Amino acid sequence: AQKITQTQPGMFVQEKEAVTLDCTYDTSDQSYGLFWYKQPSSGEMIFLIYQGSYDEQNATEGRYSLNFQKARKSANLVISASQLGDSAMYFCAMRAAGNNRKLIWGLGTSLAVNP
Amino acid sequence: GAGVSQSPSNKVTEKGKDVELRCDPISGHTALYWYRQSLGQGLEFLIYFQGNSAPDKSGLPSDRFSAERTGGSVSTLTIQRTQQEDSAVYLCASSLVGQLTEAFFGQGTRLTVV
Repeated sequence: AQKITQTQPGMFVQEKEAVTLDCTYDTSDQSYGLFWYKQPSSGEMIFLIYQGSYDEQNATEGRYSLNFQKARKSANLVISASQLGDSAMYFCAMRAAGNNRKLIWGLGTSLAVNP
Repeated sequence: GAGVSQSPSNKVTEKGKDVELRCDPISGHTALYWYRQSLGQGLEFLIYFQGNSAPDKSGLPSDRFSAERTGGSVSTLTIQRTQQEDSAVYLCASSLVGQLTEAFFGQGTRLTVV
């Protein structure tokens, strides 16, 4: 069965420092996609970054990068130069096998950025 | 509109009553998704609309849940005979085509069944 595991319920980081949010996944599919979303207190889910299983390079989007280690089945999110506005819940998700519309979600990590 | 709009933002209802949750997607977006986020849980897929195609209802948890999308735009999620376990945040998202990487989410409707 497919599963996403986020082992850090809460994380703290000092403003301007980098932080890594962990995500491990389980799937028997050869082709899959991994997503990271940010959910601020306002409630909406904001797409951050995507990594395809066949992508050879780690995905990057501005201050966000995805440390994709396929053999370890991990897809950690790295946020560089943290800002106060980065304080939010962060969710890792994986496209469900056989259904491009469904995502399997982790339980999230609450990130607090300290001034 | 500028973003995905959901209404109401909060809804408290008595057990056994029916509720309707509304989603106004971004204009021109053909794909629309409904998700449920229970406290301490990840998102749970409910239903997906794409253009005029038959919706993917595979995530609806019971026959008390239904959704429609009128005119390819506004969508309504209806929960009949609400139960306490229906309490959750219901999130709607839309995208130009069925690409989750390009989906924009609304702020959700927090439903509390008492």
